[in-house]
Amino acid sequence: DQQVKQNSPSLSVQEGRISILNCDYTNSMFDYFLWYKKYPAEGPTFLISISSIKDKNEDGRFTVFLNKSAKHLSLHIVPSQPGDSAVYFCAASYSGSARQLTFGSGTQLTVLP
Amino acid sequence: GAVVSQHPSWVICKSGTSVKIECRSLDFQATTMFWYRQFPKQSLMLMATSNEGSKATYEQGVEKDKFLINHASLTLSTLTVTSAHPEDSSFYICSAPRPGGETQYFGPGTRLLVL
Repeated sequence: DQQVKQNSPSLSVQEGRISILNCDYTNSMFDYFLWYKKYPAEGPTFLISISSIKDKNEDGRFTVFLNKSAKHLSLHIVPSQPGDSAVYFCAASYSGSARQLTFGSGTQLTVLP
Repeated sequence: GAVVSQHPSWVICKSGTSVKIECRSLDFQATTMFWYRQFPKQSLMLMATSNEGSKATYEQGVEKDKFLINHASLTLSTLTVTSAHPEDSSFYICSAPRPGGETQYFGPGTRLLVL
C-alpha cells in the first residue's frame, strides 16, 4: 500500500520554463512534507518542506503547494535550469512516527537546454 | 557542507561475508538515525530506525538478525549486513534529523555489491 505516490515517473521541460512535480498521499496523519533531489549513487539532498498548517512555502526558485483536502502537493521550479535535472522524491512524515519518512517513487526531471 | 557522512561509499564483497557501514552526524547529535535501502529505479525504503541507547526498530520484512544495527554514540550508527548474498546488493543510505527540527539530512549512501 503506497501511502505517498508520484504518478509521473519522468518529466521533461525546456530550460527557463516551469517544472511542476506532483505528489499525492493517502495517510491523513501526515503533517509534514518534504521534497528531496537525488542524483544517481548519491544521498538525497533536501530542497524544501511544508507543514500541514500552511498551503504554500517558497524558497528561491522552488515553491511547494499543499492542498490538504485533496491530499496533494506539488513542487514548482521556475525558471528551470539544466542543473535541476535529477530525480525528485516527495516524502511525508507525522509527529507520532519519530519523523520517519515515507517516500514516493520519484520523478525523473530532465531540463532540456 | 555535508552534515551526515557514510563510510565506505562503496564496497564489493564475496557472498557469505559481513559488511559494516558507518553513518555519522557531523555537527549535531542524533539520538535517532534511519537506515534506507534503494534498489535500482525504485524508491527509498525504510529498513530500520536506529535508537541511541536502545534496540533498533525494524520495518516489516527486514530481518533484524541479518541487518544488525548499533547506535554506538550520539553521532554514530552502524549497519552490518551479515552473511551477505547477491540479493543484498543495493544502495544503503542513512539519515538523521537535527534536534528540534523536522528535516532529515541524508548521508551520501553506500553502494554494496555482493559477488
